[in-house]
Amino acid sequence: AQSVTQPDIHITVSEGASLELRCNYSYGATPYLFWYVQSPGQGLQLLLKYFSGDTLVQGIKGFEAEFKRSQSSFNLRKPSVHWSDAAEYFCAVGDATGRRALTFGSGTRLQVQP
Amino acid sequence: NAGVTQTPKFQVLKTGQSMTLQCAQDMNHEYMSWYRQDPGMGLRLIHYSVGAGITDQGEVPNGYNVSRSTTEDFPLRLLSAAPSQTSVYFCASSYFRGKGTYEQYFGPGTRLTVT
Repeated sequence: AQSVTQPDIHITVSEGASLELRCNYSYGATPYLFWYVQSPGQGLQLLLKYFSGDTLVQGIKGFEAEFKRSQSSFNLRKPSVHWSDAAEYFCAVGDATGRRALTFGSGTRLQVQP
Repeated sequence: NAGVTQTPKFQVLKTGQSMTLQCAQDMNHEYMSWYRQDPGMGLRLIHYSVGAGITDQGEVPNGYNVSRSTTEDFPLRLLSAAPSQTSVYFCASSYFRGKGTYEQYFGPGTRLTVT
């Protein structure tokens, strides 16, 4: 069965600092990987996705993620965090057909200090 | 194009009551699914559907029923509400284009409290 681990429950960074959120997955074949962001009281917004090809994917709001098959990881990065990035971030894995929907990690809550 | 819509936004139920959470999408997506979100647990799949007339169970299906009579609608029924079903419920839909690319679109959520 597929699974996703986000080891960091809560991260605090200063505004302007760089950010890396960790995501490890378990899946038997080539995974489809996603990062979503959820602001308080809101729904989920897709930041970026990886299906194949270039292992470094660019997303919205200046985020990027790197797929590392050897480490079963798909970490999310941003070079300079803005106060508006404070939110909860979810990593998810989906199967090749999309028929089983997504399996989500438990999320990482990001706090941004001024 | 409204995307994925959910009603109601908020609901309070008493233990034992039943209700239906509505979900509709206007993107002609084949796949629809229901998740619940609880603190510290991310989103967990309740039920999903790969097309009209076809549904299947996800990770946490107990206490919930679904049906899919049209492509657009995928209601979630709580048969006899319990306090453990207090949660935020999200509906999602997705397409599947060739070459294996797809994306889930989420509704705004329904916050349900069972007392």
